[in-house]
Amino acid sequence: GAGVSQSPRYKVAKRGQDVALRCDPISGHVSLFWYQQALGQGPEFLTYFQNEAQLDKSGLPSDRFFAERPEGSVSTLKIQRTQQEDSAVYLCASSRDRVYEQYFGPGTRLTVT
Amino acid sequence: DQQVKQNSPSLSVQEGRISILNCDYTNSMFDYFLWYKKYPAEGPTFLISISSIKDKNEDGRFTVFLNKSAKHLSLHIVPSQPGDSAVYFCAASAKTSYDKVIFGPGTSLSVIP
Repeated sequence: GAGVSQSPRYKVAKRGQDVALRCDPISGHVSLFWYQQALGQGPEFLTYFQNEAQLDKSGLPSDRFFAERPEGSVSTLKIQRTQQEDSAVYLCASSRDRVYEQYFGPGTRLTVT
Repeated sequence: DQQVKQNSPSLSVQEGRISILNCDYTNSMFDYFLWYKKYPAEGPTFLISISSIKDKNEDGRFTVFLNKSAKHLSLHIVPSQPGDSAVYFCAASAKTSYDKVIFGPGTSLSVIP
């Protein structure tokens, strides 16, 4: 079946703009995760959903970051008033159950100029 | 404060030989460990995992070894193939928060034909 898809694949934003990044998980996957990956680093956990419930948002770096999954399927990560330090690849992953095997999307590369 | 460390940013190995990728962790609460492989412009893909109740797990050419007393794990690839050339991430989680996976910075493996 289809894997995890993310859109857009690339996004260039001027500093101060708001952006919205979309994730379509694998159908039927209950758990959804967002990660931020800076250049040369591993993915860093941002937030976790189980169905539509956001159970852990401890990794969100500031209150400019907001994630939602209103119907327990598609998720959106929104970044308000983007800053240069927000430039990174944002990865979405889904799994049948919590952490054991996460399937990652290709990521959205965000560049803030 | 990096909880999962991969001290070798890169590794080159001749085709057919063994590749050994190392990982160290600091958090004694970690009890589940995973390895992910990543090609350029793609998301990480799950490779192999190990629970802390085991010291070895094998899957085809891939074997992961866990030394809990040393807080060290390693991934062995035998024999190495050119298609194994990728970035390998070590990751860990704790039963108290299985939703939060902590990734290392990655090791870039090049398998030379």
